[in-house]
Amino acid sequence: KNQVEQSPQSLIILEGKNCTLQCNYTVSPFSNLRWYKQDTGRGPVSLTIMTFSENTKSNGRYTATLDADTKQSSLHITASQLSDSASYICVVSDYGGSQGNLIFGKGTKLSVKP
Amino acid sequence: DAGITQSPRYKITETGRQVTLMCHQTWSHSYMFWYRQDLGHGLRLIYYSAAADITDKGEVPDGYVVSRSKTENFPLTLESATRSQTSVYFCASSNDRVLQPQHFGDGTRLSIL
Repeated sequence: KNQVEQSPQSLIILEGKNCTLQCNYTVSPFSNLRWYKQDTGRGPVSLTIMTFSENTKSNGRYTATLDADTKQSSLHITASQLSDSASYICVVSDYGGSQGNLIFGKGTKLSVKP
Repeated sequence: DAGITQSPRYKITETGRQVTLMCHQTWSHSYMFWYRQDLGHGLRLIYYSAAADITDKGEVPDGYVVSRSKTENFPLTLESATRSQTSVYFCASSNDRVLQPQHFGDGTRLSIL
């Protein structure tokens, strides 16, 4: 069964510190992996999308890595800010085009404290 | 401004009632999606649409009805609401089903008493 597991479930860090969120998946065949940020009371917003051939992608202070061999991804946040407090959702796609499906992780809730 | 809007943002209703959640997008995206988000679960796909007049079931379609007469609108109807349908509902749109990012609305929080 295709699954996406995220860890930790929740995380508290101090403002200015770095953190790394993990995503392990058992999706096959693999098409792409994306990270979304979801602020409280808002819809998810796409941060990055990576295909099989990409092993790192950055969006400002957010850097996502992908190891397709071990089926793992991480999202690294540098110099955290209070506005980074949100849930981060890992989503993996199988196949592609009109036949694919998106498999959503349950998210990691990040709290950045002053 | 281009975007995707959902209405209402909050809704309280009673079991057995019919309720319709609205979704409107201004990007002219061909694909639109409805998800529900519950504690302990990831986002789960209810229905999606590849184009006007083309809809298909997702992972959890039971108890829901959709239509798409115009590209920009994709309403979701609960024909006879049940307590188990209490959830936060998100609409999204995209240029394709899984290759492009999906753009989400800010959700409708639905409580069924």
